[in-house]
Amino acid sequence: EPEVTQTPSHQVTQMGQEVILRCVPISNHLYFYWYRQILGQKVEFLVSFYNNEISEKSEIFDDQFSVERPDGSNFTLKIRSTKLEDSAMYFCASTGTPTYEQYFGPGTRLTVT
Amino acid sequence: KQEVTQIPAALSVPEGENLVLNCSFTDSAIYNLQWFRQDPGKGLTSLLLIQSSQREQTSGRLNASLDKSSGRSTLYIAASQPGDSATYLCAVDQGAQKLVFGQGTRLTINP
Repeated sequence: EPEVTQTPSHQVTQMGQEVILRCVPISNHLYFYWYRQILGQKVEFLVSFYNNEISEKSEIFDDQFSVERPDGSNFTLKIRSTKLEDSAMYFCASTGTPTYEQYFGPGTRLTVT
Repeated sequence: KQEVTQIPAALSVPEGENLVLNCSFTDSAIYNLQWFRQDPGKGLTSLLLIQSSQREQTSGRLNASLDKSSGRSTLYIAASQPGDSATYLCAVDQGAQKLVFGQGTRLTINP
């Protein structure tokens, strides 16, 4: 069964460093998303992406964040200069028509020290 | 701003019981509602999606209902099993495909 995959599963980085989180969405899906979940808190929407551009973004998704679909299969989230408060589980999701049911990857746990 | 609330926050029941998890949302203008399961430290597994025009959806021992006008959804789990132990999340999509999540109900099924 097709699934969303994410790499790495765990990333440790120092404050101020750049990180890139990678996702491979389900192959025939056209809509892609990033969410995050800080430990003990709700899952929060970050950004949605369609047709090679951002469809919607939350207040969290400031200039430190960017997304890219560099080729036909990968979808990436870049954080330019990480802060302690960026420590969270980051989930990628994808969906297709007509139901728009979102399928999530296993997540990348980002720890900023 | 859409707010999603799930009650109870935690629930512990003996194996074999039928149970109901509740989800409420403040803005009834939704496109669909999705129920997810999350195991500790893991990703989200989609269980059921209900379109705004539907009243309920069923998958195996799971049945989800939606009352859009009152801003409520329930997830019914029949004949619970220890393997059902997980956190169950409710999320609503208001048409921008931006899911707004509840805090979740942590379910424990005791053998």
